[in-house]
Amino acid sequence: GEDVEQSLFLSVREGDSSVINCTYTDSSSTYLYWYKQEPGAGLQLLTYIFSNMDMKQDQRLTVLLNKKDKHLSLRIADTQTGDSAIYFCAETRYGNKLVFGAGTILRVKS
Amino acid sequence: DVKVTQSSRYLVKRTGEKVFLECVQDMDHENMFWYRQDPGLGLRLIYFSYDVKMKEKGDIPEGYSVSREKKERFSLILESASTNQTSMYLCASSTMLGTVDSNQPQHFGDGTRLSIL
Repeated sequence: GEDVEQSLFLSVREGDSSVINCTYTDSSSTYLYWYKQEPGAGLQLLTYIFSNMDMKQDQRLTVLLNKKDKHLSLRIADTQTGDSAIYFCAETRYGNKLVFGAGTILRVKS
Repeated sequence: DVKVTQSSRYLVKRTGEKVFLECVQDMDHENMFWYRQDPGLGLRLIYFSYDVKMKEKGDIPEGYSVSREKKERFSLILESASTNQTSMYLCASSTMLGTVDSNQPQHFGDGTRLSIL
């Protein structure tokens, strides 16, 4: 199929780790992206991973890529209330296009 | 920093009106995109453009058209607005530098929330 799939909702307590999962479809995707959308705002690029990597760490964010299973995850360590947002994963398609998942709503409880 | 500016944050129009949504980017990006965002559906690509006066249909172009007369500006046009076009509209841009496989993330504006009554 053509879809990028994500779970719709995740609720965590402040200080815990959050893990947001995504499965994609195109094995030729060269880059996979995570975007964050805060209420009333556009999408902000959080991080990305090149398809020949299996892990990338950037401060509190860790991206894991399992290319065999076409599975991507975003781990947020020490989740804060400011991390509450919608998180989108996206895969590249030929011609500079991105295909987005439906987004995962992350709710952080204090 | 890349700045993508959408002319309106909120817009209310009537059924049958012709609606223009404007987007401007200041990074000399070749590529520009229009998406609509609906709950549970994520972002769906309406139209995109690789260069001035060029346009390509995305996944849901019906009921929309676009105009790219200048490199920095990409307009989305609803020829005759209908209630099912009530949505959040997001504009994005990216560079064409490097190969088609190089890292070219898209940079987004803040969105226009359009209501058609």
